[in-house]
Amino acid sequence: AAGVIQSPRHLIKEKRETATLKCYPIPRHDTVYWYQQGPGQDPQFLISFYEKMQSDKGSIPDRFSAQQFSDYHSELNMSSLELGDSALYFCASSAGAGGSQPQHFGDGTRLSIL
Amino acid sequence: GESVGLHLPTLSVQEGDNSIINCAYSNSASDYFIWYKQESGKGPQFIIDIRSNMDKRQGQRVTVLLNKTVKHLSLQIAATQPGDSAVYFCAERDTGGSYIPTFGRGTSLIVHP
Repeated sequence: AAGVIQSPRHLIKEKRETATLKCYPIPRHDTVYWYQQGPGQDPQFLISFYEKMQSDKGSIPDRFSAQQFSDYHSELNMSSLELGDSALYFCASSAGAGGSQPQHFGDGTRLSIL
Repeated sequence: GESVGLHLPTLSVQEGDNSIINCAYSNSASDYFIWYKQESGKGPQFIIDIRSNMDKRQGQRVTVLLNKTVKHLSLQIAATQPGDSAVYFCAERDTGGSYIPTFGRGTSLIVHP
Protein backbone atom coordinates (compact mmCIF):
# COMPACT_ATOMS: atom_id res chain seq x y z
CA ALA A 1 0.00 0.00 0.00
CA ALA A 2 1.17 3.51 -0.76
CA GLY A 3 2.53 5.39 2.22
CA VAL A 4 3.29 8.99 3.03
CA ILE A 5 6.36 10.12 1.11
CA GLN A 6 8.66 12.79 2.45
CA SER A 7 11.59 14.45 0.77
CA PRO A 8 14.39 14.90 1.24
CA ARG A 9 15.21 12.21 3.81
CA HIS A 10 18.22 14.14 5.05
CA LEU A 11 19.04 17.81 4.81
CA ILE A 12 22.02 19.74 6.09
CA LYS A 13 21.85 23.50 6.32
CA GLU A 14 23.72 26.30 7.98
CA LYS A 15 22.36 28.88 10.39
CA ARG A 16 20.23 31.59 8.79
CA GLU A 17 19.64 29.53 5.66
CA THR A 18 16.23 28.41 4.41
CA ALA A 19 14.85 24.92 3.87
CA THR A 20 11.81 23.42 2.21
CA LEU A 21 10.47 20.02 3.19
CA LYS A 22 7.95 18.19 1.04
CA CYS A 23 5.22 15.73 1.90
CA TYR A 24 3.09 13.59 -0.40
CA PRO A 25 0.14 12.10 1.47
CA ILE A 26 -1.47 8.75 0.92
CA PRO A 27 -3.79 8.90 -2.11
CA ARG A 28 -7.27 10.15 -1.22
CA HIS A 29 -6.09 11.50 2.12
CA ASP A 30 -7.15 15.12 2.37
CA THR A 31 -5.52 16.10 5.65
CA VAL A 32 -1.85 16.66 6.25
CA TYR A 33 -0.07 17.26 9.55
CA TRP A 34 3.48 18.38 10.28
CA TYR A 35 5.37 17.37 13.42
CA GLN A 36 8.79 18.11 14.82
CA GLN A 37 10.59 15.51 16.91
CA GLY A 38 13.74 16.28 18.85
CA PRO A 39 16.06 13.51 20.09
CA GLY A 40 14.30 11.36 22.68
CA GLN A 41 11.19 13.50 22.48
CA ASP A 42 7.64 12.81 21.45
CA PRO A 43 6.41 14.36 18.19
CA GLN A 44 5.31 17.97 18.63
CA PHE A 45 2.50 19.16 16.40
CA LEU A 46 3.33 22.12 14.18
CA ILE A 47 0.49 22.71 11.74
CA SER A 48 -2.17 20.89 9.73
CA PHE A 49 -4.17 21.36 6.55
CA TYR A 50 -7.53 20.05 5.45
CA GLU A 51 -8.63 20.41 1.86
CA LYS A 52 -5.81 22.88 1.19
CA MET A 53 -6.78 25.20 4.05
CA GLN A 54 -4.90 25.54 7.31
CA SER A 55 -6.99 23.73 9.86
CA ASP A 56 -4.99 23.86 13.07
CA LYS A 57 -1.84 25.41 14.35
CA GLY A 58 0.47 24.16 17.05
CA SER A 59 3.92 25.21 18.14
CA ILE A 60 5.11 26.33 14.74
CA PRO A 61 7.61 29.22 14.89
CA ASP A 62 6.82 32.37 12.96
CA ARG A 63 9.91 31.65 10.85
CA PHE A 64 8.15 28.59 9.45
CA SER A 65 5.24 28.48 7.06
CA ALA A 66 3.46 25.72 5.23
CA GLN A 67 0.84 25.15 2.62
CA GLN A 68 -1.10 22.37 0.97
CA PHE A 69 -1.37 22.37 -2.79
CA SER A 70 -4.15 21.38 -5.16
CA ASP A 71 -2.73 17.86 -5.47
CA TYR A 72 -2.79 17.65 -1.64
CA HIS A 73 0.94 17.55 -1.24
CA SER A 74 2.31 19.91 1.38
CA GLU A 75 5.49 21.88 1.87
CA LEU A 76 7.01 23.20 5.07
CA ASN A 77 9.13 26.28 4.50
CA MET A 78 11.67 27.16 7.13
CA SER A 79 13.66 30.39 7.17
CA SER A 80 16.40 31.92 9.33
CA LEU A 81 17.31 28.44 10.49
CA GLU A 82 18.67 28.09 13.99
CA LEU A 83 20.69 25.33 15.63
CA GLY A 84 17.61 24.40 17.65
CA ASP A 85 15.72 23.56 14.48
CA SER A 86 17.80 20.42 14.10
CA ALA A 87 15.26 17.63 14.44
CA LEU A 88 13.24 15.02 12.62
CA TYR A 89 10.31 16.50 10.78
CA PHE A 90 7.42 14.18 10.14
CA CYS A 91 4.45 14.55 7.93
CA ALA A 92 1.30 12.52 8.50
CA SER A 93 -1.90 12.22 6.53
CA SER A 94 -5.40 11.04 7.25
CA ALA A 95 -8.71 10.73 5.50
CA GLY A 96 -10.76 13.53 6.99
CA ALA A 97 -9.84 15.96 9.73
CA GLY A 98 -12.49 15.77 12.39
CA GLY A 99 -13.26 12.08 12.53
CA SER A 100 -11.62 9.32 14.44
CA GLN A 101 -9.18 8.27 11.78
CA PRO A 102 -5.58 7.37 12.53
CA GLN A 103 -2.77 9.37 11.08
CA HIS A 104 -0.27 7.66 8.86
CA PHE A 105 3.25 8.99 9.14
CA GLY A 106 6.07 9.27 6.66
CA ASP A 107 9.62 8.33 7.61
CA GLY A 108 10.57 11.95 8.13
CA THR A 109 13.20 14.41 7.06
CA ARG A 110 16.22 14.67 9.29
CA LEU A 111 17.29 18.30 9.33
CA SER A 112 20.71 19.14 10.67
CA ILE A 113 21.75 22.74 11.19
CA LEU A 114 25.48 23.40 11.32
CA GLY B 1 7.38 -7.05 32.56
CA GLU B 2 5.32 -3.89 33.04
CA SER B 3 6.01 -0.28 32.37
CA VAL B 4 4.49 2.55 34.34
CA GLY B 5 4.62 4.75 31.31
CA LEU B 6 5.71 8.22 32.21
CA HIS B 7 7.81 7.01 35.14
CA LEU B 8 9.65 4.22 33.36
CA PRO B 9 10.64 5.12 29.82
CA THR B 10 12.44 1.82 29.14
CA LEU B 11 10.99 -1.68 29.33
CA SER B 12 13.23 -4.71 28.85
CA VAL B 13 11.73 -8.13 28.25
CA GLN B 14 12.84 -11.54 27.07
CA GLU B 15 11.76 -12.84 23.72
CA GLY B 16 8.54 -14.78 24.09
CA ASP B 17 7.36 -12.89 27.18
CA ASN B 18 4.28 -10.73 27.17
CA SER B 19 4.86 -6.98 27.37
CA ILE B 20 2.62 -4.36 28.91
CA ILE B 21 3.18 -0.71 28.14
CA ASN B 22 1.16 1.79 30.14
CA CYS B 23 0.05 5.30 29.39
CA ALA B 24 -1.74 7.85 31.54
CA TYR B 25 -3.67 10.48 29.64
CA SER B 26 -4.72 13.86 30.89
CA ASN B 27 -7.78 15.06 29.00
CA SER B 28 -11.02 13.61 30.31
CA ALA B 29 -12.71 14.72 27.08
CA SER B 30 -10.43 12.51 24.97
CA ASP B 31 -12.53 9.95 23.19
CA TYR B 32 -10.13 8.36 20.73
CA PHE B 33 -6.80 6.76 21.53
CA ILE B 34 -4.05 5.44 19.32
CA TRP B 35 -0.90 3.44 19.89
CA TYR B 36 2.06 4.03 17.62
CA LYS B 37 5.31 2.13 17.24
CA GLN B 38 8.38 4.04 16.18
CA GLU B 39 11.48 2.21 15.07
CA SER B 40 14.80 3.96 14.86
CA GLY B 41 15.00 6.28 11.85
CA LYS B 42 11.35 5.80 10.94
CA GLY B 43 8.10 7.58 11.48
CA PRO B 44 5.50 6.45 13.99
CA GLN B 45 3.57 3.47 12.71
CA PHE B 46 -0.09 2.98 13.60
CA ILE B 47 -0.63 -0.18 15.68
CA ILE B 48 -4.12 -0.08 17.08
CA ASP B 49 -6.77 2.38 18.15
CA ILE B 50 -9.70 2.38 20.51
CA ARG B 51 -12.68 4.63 20.99
CA SER B 52 -13.97 5.64 24.37
CA ASN B 53 -17.12 3.55 24.06
CA MET B 54 -14.94 0.46 24.31
CA ASP B 55 -12.66 -0.79 27.07
CA LYS B 56 -10.79 -3.44 25.12
CA ARG B 57 -9.76 -4.04 21.57
CA GLN B 58 -7.64 -6.80 20.13
CA GLY B 59 -5.42 -6.94 17.11
CA GLN B 60 -2.80 -9.36 15.95
CA ARG B 61 -0.72 -10.10 19.08
CA VAL B 62 -1.72 -6.76 20.55
CA THR B 63 -4.49 -5.75 22.92
CA VAL B 64 -5.35 -2.25 24.04
CA LEU B 65 -7.16 -1.71 27.31
CA LEU B 66 -8.83 1.55 28.22
CA ASN B 67 -9.82 2.55 31.73
CA LYS B 68 -11.61 5.87 31.50
CA THR B 69 -12.20 6.06 35.23
CA VAL B 70 -8.52 6.48 35.96
CA LYS B 71 -7.59 7.80 32.50
CA HIS B 72 -5.27 4.92 31.77
CA LEU B 73 -4.42 3.12 28.58
CA SER B 74 -2.29 0.04 28.13
CA LEU B 75 -0.85 -1.88 25.23
CA GLN B 76 -0.26 -5.57 25.68
CA ILE B 77 2.00 -7.39 23.26
CA ALA B 78 1.82 -11.17 23.36
CA ALA B 79 4.88 -13.34 22.74
CA THR B 80 7.16 -10.36 22.26
CA GLN B 81 9.65 -10.70 19.44
CA PRO B 82 12.94 -8.88 18.76
CA GLY B 83 11.19 -7.05 15.93
CA ASP B 84 8.91 -5.47 18.51
CA SER B 85 11.85 -3.46 19.87
CA ALA B 86 10.93 0.17 19.33
CA VAL B 87 9.58 3.23 21.08
CA TYR B 88 5.85 3.07 21.71
CA PHE B 89 3.72 6.20 21.95
CA CYS B 90 0.14 6.56 23.01
CA ALA B 91 -1.84 9.45 21.60
CA GLU B 92 -5.19 10.84 22.66
CA ARG B 93 -7.69 12.91 20.73
CA ASP B 94 -10.71 14.88 21.71
CA THR B 95 -12.72 14.49 18.52
CA GLY B 96 -15.25 17.00 19.77
CA GLY B 97 -12.60 19.64 20.20
CA SER B 98 -9.22 19.86 18.56
CA TYR B 99 -8.80 16.72 16.56
CA ILE B 100 -5.03 16.95 16.77
CA PRO B 101 -3.73 13.97 18.73
CA THR B 102 -1.59 14.68 21.72
CA PHE B 103 1.32 12.31 22.05
CA GLY B 104 2.32 10.94 25.40
CA ARG B 105 5.88 10.31 26.41
CA GLY B 106 7.24 7.28 24.62
CA THR B 107 8.31 4.01 26.20
CA SER B 108 11.29 2.23 24.76
CA LEU B 109 10.73 -1.52 24.52
CA ILE B 110 13.86 -3.64 24.34
CA VAL B 111 13.42 -7.30 23.55
CA HIS B 112 16.31 -9.58 24.40
CA PRO B 113 16.66 -12.77 22.34
